[in-house]
Amino acid sequence: DTAVSQTPKYLVTQMGNDKSIKCEQNLGHDTMYWYKQDSKKFLKIMFSYNNKELIINETVPNRFSPKSPDKAHLNLHINSLELGDSAVYFCASSKESGANVLTFGAGSRLTVL
Amino acid sequence: AQKVTQAQTEISVVEKEDVTLDCVYETRDTTYYLFWYKQPPSGELVFLIRRNSFDEQNEISGRYSWNFQKSTSSFNFTITASQVVDSAVYFCALRMYNNNDMRFGAGTRLTVKP
Repeated sequence: DTAVSQTPKYLVTQMGNDKSIKCEQNLGHDTMYWYKQDSKKFLKIMFSYNNKELIINETVPNRFSPKSPDKAHLNLHINSLELGDSAVYFCASSKESGANVLTFGAGSRLTVL
Repeated sequence: AQKVTQAQTEISVVEKEDVTLDCVYETRDTTYYLFWYKQPPSGELVFLIRRNSFDEQNEISGRYSWNFQKSTSSFNFTITASQVVDSAVYFCALRMYNNNDMRFGAGTRLTVKP
């Protein structure tokens, strides 16, 4: 069983469209995250959710919205896609607290044309 | 503010050479955690090691070793007798106690040539 799974793995779409990326973890972790990795490999945190509460929200455009139906899922919705949104998006999870390791999904490569 | 600097953007070595990847961090907190992750060409992020700020003991795991020095705020990673399969981007990361934000360095791309 994959610990952190995200779908789809690849997503190609047109500018202006709305898309979602799903993430599920079966590790029983308390906190889930979304990271964005740009073409230069920079990894930047976008959101994290702890027990359904948003606890980090970096300077991310409000076109991006995380949605967590339960502790095991954190989906990423993106409205009005722009060319600059093209990146690899990683979902991750961890137990609460700074000591704990983040377990990452395999990544979802989004290409906006 | 918390910050992680990996000054080496790219390193290229020949197989069997030793290589050290540098990581320098900044934080005002006294309790924090340092991590190394590997991202092979396949793209996944693989956890390698975690250290807490109170444990400066160096660690060795097979061909991998880590040198943590609080005096210089560094957490360097050495691969001995490198192999082609070590080719990847390696990320150093910093996380505060009681804080869910894990900050990554820019990564070092290591290429090991046969």
